[in-house]
Order: sequence, then C-alpha cells, then structure tokens
Amino acid sequence: DAGVTQSPTHLIKTRGQQVTLRCSPKSGHDTVSWYQQALGQGPQFIFQYYEEEERQRGNFPDRFSGHQYPNYSSELNVNALLLGDSALYLCASSPQSRGGLFFGPGTRLTVL
Amino acid sequence: GQSLEQPSEVTAVEGAIVQINCTYQTSGFYGLSWYQQHDGGAPTFLSYNGLDGLEETGRFSSFLSRSDSYGYLLLQELQMKDSASYFCAVHAAGNKLTFGGGTRVLVKP
Repeated sequence: DAGVTQSPTHLIKTRGQQVTLRCSPKSGHDTVSWYQQALGQGPQFIFQYYEEEERQRGNFPDRFSGHQYPNYSSELNVNALLLGDSALYLCASSPQSRGGLFFGPGTRLTVL
Repeated sequence: GQSLEQPSEVTAVEGAIVQINCTYQTSGFYGLSWYQQHDGGAPTFLSYNGLDGLEETGRFSSFLSRSDSYGYLLLQELQMKDSASYFCAVHAAGNKLTFGGGTRVLVKP
C-alpha cells in the first residue's frame, strides 16, 4: 500500500518564475491538503481539495493555486515566485476530511 | 482564529518519560493530533484525540481535555531514535489543521 507520494523532491527556481508540485494521496484517501513549512516552524495550511474542488484556503495569496484530478491526485502551482516562497511544501491526505493527516515526503523549493 | 502553545525544547535521557504539553485557543475545535518530524523529513502522524481522554499507541500516549483546551503527548521508554520535533495540531471544520511551533526533543544516552 503506497503512502503519499510527491514530486519532485527538490527544486531550484529564480524569482518571478512559476512552479508546479505534484502529489498522489494514500490509497483510499480522497482529500488532499497542501502545507508550507519554513525552517524551524510548524506547517502552515495553504488549501484543501475534495471532489476536485478547493474546499478551504489559508492565508496565502492568489499566486498559490491548485487542482485535484478525478483520481484524487493534486497539483500546487505557485506563480511569480518570491524569495520568501522558499520552504518545504508538504502534501497530506486523509479519508473523507477527518482524522489525522498522512504526509508525503515533501518538495524542498529554493527560490534564488 | 487558532493559536497553540507548546514548549520549544525538552531534553531527557534514554529510558525516561517525557510529557509535551499543548494548550490551544480556537474558534472551532474538532480534535487534536500529534506529529513527529525528524530533521530533513516530513511529519509523521502519531495520534489523534477527538474526545476527552487518553489514547495509547505503543510507547506513545496522547491526552485531551476539551474543557481545559489542553492536551499532551507522553513518550515512554525514550529511545535515541525519538530525538525529533513534535507538533500538536488543532483540527477545525473540514479537517483544516493549525500546527503549533513544535517541541524539539533531545534524547541523551
């Protein structure tokens, strides 16, 4: 039983560029959430997808957008990258929007 | 909004017991969960409390008191591999989580 998978594992971009991160949830999970974790801090909620729709959103600008596909996989897109976007981006899945979250290994994004 | 408080760091020796407290203020509460994160890794789910009381999973136990807006994670029979950061997280409607700042646990031989 595969857990949550994410790609790529590392990414280096320059300011102003755009990036797409990908996630496949744990088998049997239909809800995908994205979190941003800066060094030394707890994860911060970006948004959540369920039934291919954004259901909830945290305090992140519109530069952050996402998508969920019929197979429950998801993408996180960030436009006009800023230096402050450098962080670990975590995808997490859960069954039917309840219970503990199962995190993927994360994508380490560095913006130069 | 939500806010959580947990100690920044705890040091203990192998075999000891460590309790990490978490107090929270929230406008909507559905549960409290705990996560372990080793340096360079991703958070790993440890435990979830939706109701008051104690949940036990092997060497780890978690407790919740909704009336006191308080919970704790108990780590027993500490091992070197337990050295990591531990996060409490409040669950809001729709399973949106707000995380605390994390407690760094250092286990010494």
